[in-house]
Amino acid sequence: DGGITQSPKYLFRKEGQNVTLSCEQNLNHDAMYWYRQDPGQGLRLIYYSQIVNDFQKGDIAEGYSVSREKKESFPLTVTSAQKNPTAFYLCASSSQGSGYTFGSGTRLTVV
Amino acid sequence: GESVGLHLPTLSVQEGDNSIINCAYSNSASDYFIWYKQESGKGPQFIIDIRSNMDKRQGQRVTVLLNKTVKHLSLQIAATQPGDSAVYFCAENIAGNTGKLIFGQGTTLQVKP
Repeated sequence: DGGITQSPKYLFRKEGQNVTLSCEQNLNHDAMYWYRQDPGQGLRLIYYSQIVNDFQKGDIAEGYSVSREKKESFPLTVTSAQKNPTAFYLCASSSQGSGYTFGSGTRLTVV
Repeated sequence: GESVGLHLPTLSVQEGDNSIINCAYSNSASDYFIWYKQESGKGPQFIIDIRSNMDKRQGQRVTVLLNKTVKHLSLQIAATQPGDSAVYFCAENIAGNTGKLIFGQGTTLQVKP
């Protein structure tokens, strides 16, 4: 079955540590997105990529980095520069003219 | 900037009643609209979509209405069930915006038994 997979489901980060969240899709979608969701709030766009080897900053890119070396994969690194990283992170993919398919999310907690 | 907004942050309904969740959008160039349902701790799931050349679309127990004159989108859920309790997001695609959706803030639907 085609879908989009995020891992891990739960992630704990120590102060000053970089962590990488995985997002893989086998839907053959060109575009992929990363969103952050805080409790009781909506979705805020971190980064997006519409084609391999290219990506653009979203509304809250500071403290995050991404890569898009393969069509299927769009990992997100939360760097130590992100001072408030505790949140629920959602990855999504889409093809032109269609809606998004979302992953099941990664909950990141700073310990 | 352009945004998609919702009229009410929380909607509480009795089980079996119909629910109506509203969404206002401000960009007249939007050509595609989607409703998503997000249960606690999970990713949003597609419910129903509608393109701007339509004003109504029906699915199983759900109907989306689009009023382009007042830039208003609504999601109607018939015979609301406890399993419908979730956060509902509307999203719009602005024509020519390379497929990047703009999401509303979300409405929490609470279904009382």
